Amino acid sequence: GAGVSQTPSNKVTEKGKYVELRCDPISGHTALYWYRQSLGQGPEFLIYFQGTGAADDSGLPNDRFFAVRPEGSVSTLKIQRTERGDSAVYLCASSLRDRATYNEQFFGPGTRLTVL
Amino acid sequence: ILNVEQSPQSLHVQEGDSTNFTCSFPSSNFYALHWYRWETAKSPEALFVMTLNGDEKKKGRISATLNTKEGYSYLYIKGSQPEDSATYLCAFALYSGAGSYQLTFGKGTKLSVIP
Repeated sequence: GAGVSQTPSNKVTEKGKYVELRCDPISGHTALYWYRQSLGQGPEFLIYFQGTGAADDSGLPNDRFFAVRPEGSVSTLKIQRTERGDSAVYLCASSLRDRATYNEQFFGPGTRLTVL
Repeated sequence: ILNVEQSPQSLHVQEGDSTNFTCSFPSSNFYALHWYRWETAKSPEALFVMTLNGDEKKKGRISATLNTKEGYSYLYIKGSQPEDSATYLCAFALYSGAGSYQLTFGKGTKLSVIP
């Protein structure tokens, strides 16, 4: 079946602009995660959705970052007033909420965001 | 702050060589350790979910072991091939409440296999 998809694959924007990054999870996966990988680092957790609600947003770096998942499927990560430090690869992952599989997460290919 | 360390940071091996790398993680509150392979411009691919102390898992030429008491996991690749070239990430699964099993990743080991 189809895996996790993310669009766009690359986004170049100017400092101060607003961007939206989209994630389409695997059908039937109720859990959805966003991570960010900055240069030279491992991916870092941003936010977790269970269904439509953001159950854990402890990784969002500041209030310029916001994410939604209005129908419990597709999610959009929104970044306001982008800064050069926001440049990174943004990864989305989805999983079944199933302890039998240890909630294994399946990742999309990421969106590479470059803020000039 | 949770610390997941991977070594080495990068590795160059000749085709046919066997190799291994290390992931170290906190030994308390262990739930699961994940290994992923990430090729450029592709999605990170799940290799193993390691859950029990002493676990050994194998997929083709790749295998992994787990020691939760001392907080480390090894990934082994036997007879490396050019298609094994990728960044190998380990991730410690932490239950952070409300059903969230957020992953804390190491920085990865970048493997290059020279034909």
